[in-house]
Amino acid sequence: QVHLQESGPGLVKPSQTLSLTCSVSGDSISSGDHYYTWVRQHPGKGLEWLGYISHSGTTFYNPSLKSRITISVDTSKNQFSLRLTSMTAADTAVYFCTTRKYYGSGSYGLDYWGQGTLVIVSS
Amino acid sequence: EIVLTQSPGTLSLSPGERATLSCSASQRITSSSLAWYQQRPGQAPRLLFYGASGRASGIPDRFRGSGSGADYTLTITSLEPDDFAVYYCQYGWSFGPGTRVDVK
Repeated sequence: QVHLQESGPGLVKPSQTLSLTCSVSGDSISSGDHYYTWVRQHPGKGLEWLGYISHSGTTFYNPSLKSRITISVDTSKNQFSLRLTSMTAADTAVYFCTTRKYYGSGSYGLDYWGQGTLVIVSS
Repeated sequence: EIVLTQSPGTLSLSPGERATLSCSASQRITSSSLAWYQQRPGQAPRLLFYGASGRASGIPDRFRGSGSGADYTLTITSLEPDDFAVYYCQYGWSFGPGTRVDVK
């Protein structure tokens, strides 16, 4: 069973950079079975896909965030990370790490999820 | 950009009843790229279906996914207490706004 756990600050000041890490257990990122993905959810709202990274480091970012977001992977630690610059109150959300699995015939799904971590942007 | 619309916004039903949730895309999409998720309060989303009708691991068969073109449906044939939750469809970068299924 794959387990994901987010870690990082719960409070970030406006204009600062958010750094979150997702630790993966029960599977090796190097196996290439998944794309490693970040999704967020504003309080009481729906889901927003931020971006994902392959085990080899190829990234895909939501165009709405493309200038602010970096996702990286550290296969030696079996972790992947999110960096989001120029944080504002609008970035206050629960941030989830998740894994995107290919099921064949062009089908994908986000099959494993961390519990999520609330990040509040406030001075 | 594909925009997903889900209806109804809220569905109030009793345990044992049938739930029918709709997801409509702003244009025809490939059904292979349509997924459904369930999110219970305070929990992370859970994958229900990939490819519109491919049931994810551990999902009971009272859940059914169907559809093609621009219109997709998630059906829960007989609601159980754990099924009262919010359901999202997803295509590419986009998630729908969700349908809340609550107890009548």
